[in-house]
Amino acid sequence: GQQVMQIPQYQHVQEGEDFTTYCNSSTTLSNIQWYKQRPGGHPVFLIQLVKSGEVKKQKRLTFQFGEAKKNSSLHITATQTTDVGTYFCAGTEYRQAGTALIFGKGTTLSVSS
Amino acid sequence: EPEVTQTPSHQVTQMGQEVILRCVPISNHLYFYWYRQILGQKVEFLVSFYNNEISEKSEIFDDQFSVERPDGSNFTLKIRSTKLEDSAMYFCASSRDYRNEQFFGPGTRLTVL
Repeated sequence: GQQVMQIPQYQHVQEGEDFTTYCNSSTTLSNIQWYKQRPGGHPVFLIQLVKSGEVKKQKRLTFQFGEAKKNSSLHITATQTTDVGTYFCAGTEYRQAGTALIFGKGTTLSVSS
Repeated sequence: EPEVTQTPSHQVTQMGQEVILRCVPISNHLYFYWYRQILGQKVEFLVSFYNNEISEKSEIFDDQFSVERPDGSNFTLKIRSTKLEDSAMYFCASSRDYRNEQFFGPGTRLTVL
């Protein structure tokens, strides 16, 4: 079945440093979604990428979807302590009416000030 | 802003007992989902539901599990005979369409003793 790999599993940075997490799928994706989960919280939707090669920005966050629609990345510029949490990518397999979101294991970001 | 709600927030049960987890999806959403997250692990897809029937289910969603939309607002997950390994956080989610972003509820923590 479809698998989504995400690296690194953990990342610690000093406040102000940049952070990147990478996501790779074993199959072509219809779309990819990124979620943030704070400790004890639930996944909160950040963004959805649909088109091959798509790049989207949200303030300090930049999201990319690969040309082959099998990989994606999230880059945070100048991290802040509020960025702490686990970032998950989640993909929907490229097939008709695919509904299941298959999550990666997540990258847990810690930020020290 | 509309949100997905879930009750109860925490459920403790004895092994072999039946539990029902309840969710109220966002009102104009048509697709409903259940996911689970074992402590410290990734979010796993269980089942999706559309037009009063199961749209897709994972291998985890065996005969012990069932879903229902008993009225116009609630969406439930029933586990018939709970096992120790069913202990997890169960998240309900909903989306307008299967291609759209999924919005997660706060989760129900299920503890099976």
